[in-house]
Amino acid sequence: EPEVTQTPSHQVTQMGQEVILRCVPISNHLYFYWYRQILGQKVEFLVSFYNNEISEKSEIFDDQFSVERPDGSNFTLKIRSTKLEDSAMYFCASRRTSGGADTQYFGPGTRLTVL
Amino acid sequence: GQQLNQSPQSMFIQEGEDVSMNCTSSSIFNTWLWYKQDPGEGPVLLIALYKAGELTSNGRLTAQFGITRKDSFLNISASIPSDVGIYFCAGHLKAAGNKLTFGGGTRVLVKP
Repeated sequence: EPEVTQTPSHQVTQMGQEVILRCVPISNHLYFYWYRQILGQKVEFLVSFYNNEISEKSEIFDDQFSVERPDGSNFTLKIRSTKLEDSAMYFCASRRTSGGADTQYFGPGTRLTVL
Repeated sequence: GQQLNQSPQSMFIQEGEDVSMNCTSSSIFNTWLWYKQDPGEGPVLLIALYKAGELTSNGRLTAQFGITRKDSFLNISASIPSDVGIYFCAGHLKAAGNKLTFGGGTRVLVKP
């Protein structure tokens, strides 16, 4: 069964450094998402992406964040200058289009630790 | 923004017991989804509900989309040890764009 994959599984970085989190969505999906989950809290929406542009973003997704689909398979989240509070699990998700159904499938996540 | 209230926050189960959890919202949703998350992993989709009143089963799991479109419940029948984990409800509203709004989760634990 096709699935969303994410790399790396764990990223440790120093405060102020740039990180890029990578995702490979399910191949026939057209809508892509990033969510984050701070330890012990609920999953929070960051950004959605369709047709090579951001379709919606949350207030968390400030100028330090950017997303890109550099080729036909990868979807990346970049954090330009990481802060301690960026430490969280970051999940990529993708959605197929099927008569309006909105079932999103999640990847296994990247645990980002900012020191 | 929309808020989903999920209850209970945690519960202990004994093998063979039935388990029930629910989500309520002050606003309506077009789609309700139930996910399970194991430690260190991503949410795995269990059941998707697309119409008000819809009752859907997936093995020992049953979920319903409330008639008012403001609530949903998930039942697990005859629980087994691997049912342990965190269960999240999530709602989608077309007017709110593409995002899913998640509940706070129900942590299911095994009775000692």
